[in-house]
Amino acid sequence: DQQVKQNSPSLSVQEGRISILNCDYTNSMFDYFLWYKKYPAEGPTFLISISSIKDKNEDGRFTVFLNKSAKHLSLHIVPSQPGDSAVYFCAATPNTGNQFYFGTGTSLTVIP
Amino acid sequence: KAGVTQTPRYLIKTRGQQVTLSCSPISGHRSVSWYQQTPGQGLQFLFEYFSETQRNKGNFPGRFSGRQFSNSRSEMNVSTLELGDSALYLCASTRGQNYGYTFGSGTRLTVV
Repeated sequence: DQQVKQNSPSLSVQEGRISILNCDYTNSMFDYFLWYKKYPAEGPTFLISISSIKDKNEDGRFTVFLNKSAKHLSLHIVPSQPGDSAVYFCAATPNTGNQFYFGTGTSLTVIP
Repeated sequence: KAGVTQTPRYLIKTRGQQVTLSCSPISGHRSVSWYQQTPGQGLQFLFEYFSETQRNKGNFPGRFSGRQFSNSRSEMNVSTLELGDSALYLCASTRGQNYGYTFGSGTRLTVV
């Protein structure tokens, strides 16, 4: 039972353009959401997070949007750079637990 | 400060064997979680330990077990290995839910 879903396994974007990665979740108890970036042969690294009390969080080129009513979050990367090419995982956790639920990942390729 | 250290980085085992993977968390992090990553499945939660106690367990068979020591180091054991156990096993530590995980680089297990 995949409670966090990333329906796009891959995405290609031209350098300088916006990359939008999407994530849907089913559990209404989730209240904290994170994005991780993973390069081959490395563990995922934390990118940005958002609490359910917010609908937007921005950090440099990265912005995460949360739509609680739609149970949807998205990560925007502007402008996209070739170094952003990686697999991006979204993750969610409920306020009562210590387990993070991950999506299946979206492989982003930024074309120079 | 040192990150999360996983050893070994690579392992090749034959079916039926057992394997033990090791994880040293970031100093001060008492929560250690283990995930299995396979293509198309994202990161599947195995278990989470806190202060030597298993607090959460994912939906994996009993062949998968773990433990945590008093210094927060953790080990994961898989017995009677199957071909389908071939995966990247990731360990992550955190000092609390809202701080997100810090992942190690993983152990790549290949079962032949």
